[in-house]
Amino acid sequence: DAKTTQPPSMDCAEGRAANLPCNHSTISGNEYVYWYRQIHSQGPQYIIHGLKNNETNEMASLIITEDRKSSTLILPHATLRDTAVYYCIAVDQAGTALIFGKGTTLSVSS
Amino acid sequence: GAVVSQHPSWVICKSGTSVKIECRSLDFQATTMFWYRQFPKQSLMLMATSNEGSKATYEQGVEKDKFLINHASLTLSTLTVTSAHPEDSSFYICSAMGQGGNQPQHFGDGTRLSIL
Repeated sequence: DAKTTQPPSMDCAEGRAANLPCNHSTISGNEYVYWYRQIHSQGPQYIIHGLKNNETNEMASLIITEDRKSSTLILPHATLRDTAVYYCIAVDQAGTALIFGKGTTLSVSS
Repeated sequence: GAVVSQHPSWVICKSGTSVKIECRSLDFQATTMFWYRQFPKQSLMLMATSNEGSKATYEQGVEKDKFLINHASLTLSTLTVTSAHPEDSSFYICSAMGQGGNQPQHFGDGTRLSIL
């Protein structure tokens, strides 16, 4: 599976949009980009995933560049409860284990 | 939405004890479940892949005789830490995914294991 690179930490003001980047320059054509987050002392929570097209759900939006080498997770109106470690993972098929990198620690402050 | 339940959420026991952790998919059937371990301030590390009705596949460096995995039904996988020692103290997390399509994996809330 393609390796992903994320900034170690980011800060965001409450109520503002949080844009979390992820670089996956070696991603292959059949690999999906998944985003999870982990709030302290809990299991990871699924956020969103996509292959080529931009995706949106009730939690976030996922913007994937046309060449698929990078993506951005957007939390439109960050709240204090969005403070967590966010993981971007590239996976080639269903049933494959997720390999977690170090992720981005997002700190949302008032 | 898909729910994965893990039990117990927290356990403290003496060195040499065996501890069983259960992972259940509550509203879907999971042919494949995964077990992870997370040490403080580190990321999740995959321990093994658990397939219903067959032997688990362990990652390199994970002792299969120490971490026994059983996946006897489509909704339950168990991880038994045998003869646990203080160095086995960690946060153990399972995940499961439903059948069919490119479904996301859903994680349990983890089990914090402390060996005295």
